[in-house]
Amino acid sequence: AQSVAQPEDQVNVAEGNPLTVKCTYSVSGNPYLFWYVQYPNRGLQFLLKYITGDNLVKGSYGFEAEFNKSQTSFHLKKPSALVSDSALYFCAVRETDSWGKLQFGAGTQVVVTP
Amino acid sequence: GAVVSQHPSWVICKSGTSVKIECRSLDFQATTMFWYRQFPKQSLMLMATSNEGSKATYEQGVEKDKFLINHASLTLSTLTVTSAHPEDSSFYICSARGVSGGAYETQYFGPGTRLLVL
Repeated sequence: AQSVAQPEDQVNVAEGNPLTVKCTYSVSGNPYLFWYVQYPNRGLQFLLKYITGDNLVKGSYGFEAEFNKSQTSFHLKKPSALVSDSALYFCAVRETDSWGKLQFGAGTQVVVTP
Repeated sequence: GAVVSQHPSWVICKSGTSVKIECRSLDFQATTMFWYRQFPKQSLMLMATSNEGSKATYEQGVEKDKFLINHASLTLSTLTVTSAHPEDSSFYICSARGVSGGAYETQYFGPGTRLLVL
């Protein structure tokens, strides 16, 4: 069975500072990993995904994530946070041999203060 | 990027009525569509998976007779909440995966539908 953990309910960061949102996963095979962002009363917006290849994945809005197989982690990062990055962030995993569902983490609320 | 639309974005209805929510993939064909439910400040809960032209697969605990799903074409899926009750009030989000349907495909999400049952 696959699972995803986002250990932080909320991350607070000052504008201009680096932002990191943590995610660890558990799968029986190889993972496909995704990050999504959700603004209030909106659906999820796709940020980036890891399928194979380079462990550092670059995505939308200046976000990137690093796949670390030994630590089973896929942390989301942004070098300089903006107030507009304040939102709910979800990490998700799907096993590579599965045509089925994404497993979502519980979500991490990011609050960027001016 | 790929766009998924949902209609309506908001719906308020009386208890006992049925509500239909439409989900469309606008610029790609979606072999598989998913319906999620989200409670405030919580993660998404998968309700069902539907493949075009076949019956939906419901998650455990989701009543298939209450939440009717129709995936009539590669660009349209509908969720009908039958005989809605206040406890069905929630945020419903659909999602679509690309035509190949492979596990590497990104799932794109609609903007969600807020349902309030009085």
